[in-house]
Amino acid sequence: AQSVTQLDSQVPVFEEAPVELRCNYSSSVSVYLFWYVQYPNQGLQLLLKYLSGSTLVKGINGFEAEFNKSQTSFHLRKPSVHISDTAEYFCAVIINAGKSTFGDGTTLTVKP
Amino acid sequence: KAGVTQTPRYLIKTRGQQVTLSCSPISGHRSVSWYQQTPGQGLQFLFEYFSETQRNKGNFPGRFSGRQFSNSRSEMNVSTLELGDSALYLCASKVSDNEQFFGPGTRLTVL
Repeated sequence: AQSVTQLDSQVPVFEEAPVELRCNYSSSVSVYLFWYVQYPNQGLQLLLKYLSGSTLVKGINGFEAEFNKSQTSFHLRKPSVHISDTAEYFCAVIINAGKSTFGDGTTLTVKP
Repeated sequence: KAGVTQTPRYLIKTRGQQVTLSCSPISGHRSVSWYQQTPGQGLQFLFEYFSETQRNKGNFPGRFSGRQFSNSRSEMNVSTLELGDSALYLCASKVSDNEQFFGPGTRLTVL
C-alpha cells in the first residue's frame, strides 16, 4: 500500500525567507509525485510534478521539489516566499494509473 | 479551455436526506475522480470513473455512489446523509500523465 506523510502540519515563515515543506512516501514500486496548493474556498492547483527524468522539478510561482528515491522524499522548496504564498499545500502520490493518495496537508503562513 | 466545473457550490441538507453533486470535466478529459475533504480526515479518495466505468474506489460506505455519462460528466450521490458527511467534495479530471485538474468543490453541510 502507498502512503504519504507530510511531516509538518503548520509552517510559519517570514516574508522573503526560504521555506521547505517536507513530504515522505512509502511505496514498493515506482511512483508519480505531485505537489498541489489550495487557497481558501478553492480547489487544488498543481504546483509541480515528478513523473520521471531529472530529480529536480521546477514548478509555478517559483517553487521547486527534489525527488530522492533512496530517502523516499519529495520536499517542496522556495528560496523567497511572499505573503500570497499563504495557503495549504498537499503532497500526493500515484502508482501508474491508480488512485491518488494525498498527505494531510501543510498550512504555510507567511508573515510580514 | 474551460476548467472543471462543479454544481452546486454550496448545499445544505438534513440528516437522512440524499444529495446529488455534479461535475463537468475539462473537454477531452475522460477520467473523473471524486474526493472528500474534511478538517479531521484531510483529502480522501472516493472513486474514479473512466469512460463510464468505475476504475478505482476508496474506502467509503455504499451510501456513496457515482456514475459517469457518455459526455464524461459525472455525478456523485450520497444517500441517508449523516452529520459526518459535511465536507468539501472535490472533483478532478485528467486526460493522461496522471496530472489532475480540480474543480472549486461543493461544500455540503448536513444539519
